[in-house]
Amino acid sequence: ETGVTQTPRHLVMGMTNKKSLKCEQHLGHNAMYWYKQSAKKPLELMFVYSLEERVENNSVPSRFSPECPNSSHLFLHLHTLQPEDSALYLCASSQEGRGDEKLFFGSGTQLSVL
Amino acid sequence: AQSVTQPDIHITVSEGASLELRCNYSYGATPYLFWYVQSPGQGLQLLLKYFSGDTLVQGIKGFEAEFKRSQSSFNLRKPSVHWSDAAEYFCAVGGGSYIPTFGRGTSLIVHP
Repeated sequence: ETGVTQTPRHLVMGMTNKKSLKCEQHLGHNAMYWYKQSAKKPLELMFVYSLEERVENNSVPSRFSPECPNSSHLFLHLHTLQPEDSALYLCASSQEGRGDEKLFFGSGTQLSVL
Repeated sequence: AQSVTQPDIHITVSEGASLELRCNYSYGATPYLFWYVQSPGQGLQLLLKYFSGDTLVQGIKGFEAEFKRSQSSFNLRKPSVHWSDAAEYFCAVGGGSYIPTFGRGTSLIVHP
């Protein structure tokens, strides 16, 4: 148990559906992240929130919409996804959002887009 | 821009044999280097990290890594592999305000 909880663990959705991924951290951290992990590709940083403000958005398509209502919760809202969006989506947290910090990861949501 | 190369997609070793996973990085200043492990169906867990000081870093589960600035490398080693070490291993480089960049990962297969 890393202190970072992601739900659901698995999600299957059609291209016209709207769904949300949830992440919750119990570590008292101030920074939270969304990563996309596709087969045989490096982890792709999608979004970073530090002190509930988005500080980085790596050119992610608008069909992915993050929300960070407080420092403990992070959501990823999904709509009109494409099959190539099928991947493992990992949430992580750290103390302040600096590059020298240890990241704590959740177990991920395995997303399949049909 | 920072980058990480893990040249081996798969590594197969016998249980009890020694292990070395390679990692090369590109970074303009003194890097912060990490190794993470991912077991099937799980998120990533930090094995060890290097910030400064002794270039040989000890981590959890009997792993160690050596920072070699001249070779821009941070290879992960373990003297005797256990079957439970079978997993995906990721090297990452970061620094100061820069979020760590991850490599593609190396899949470790352990034969009995």
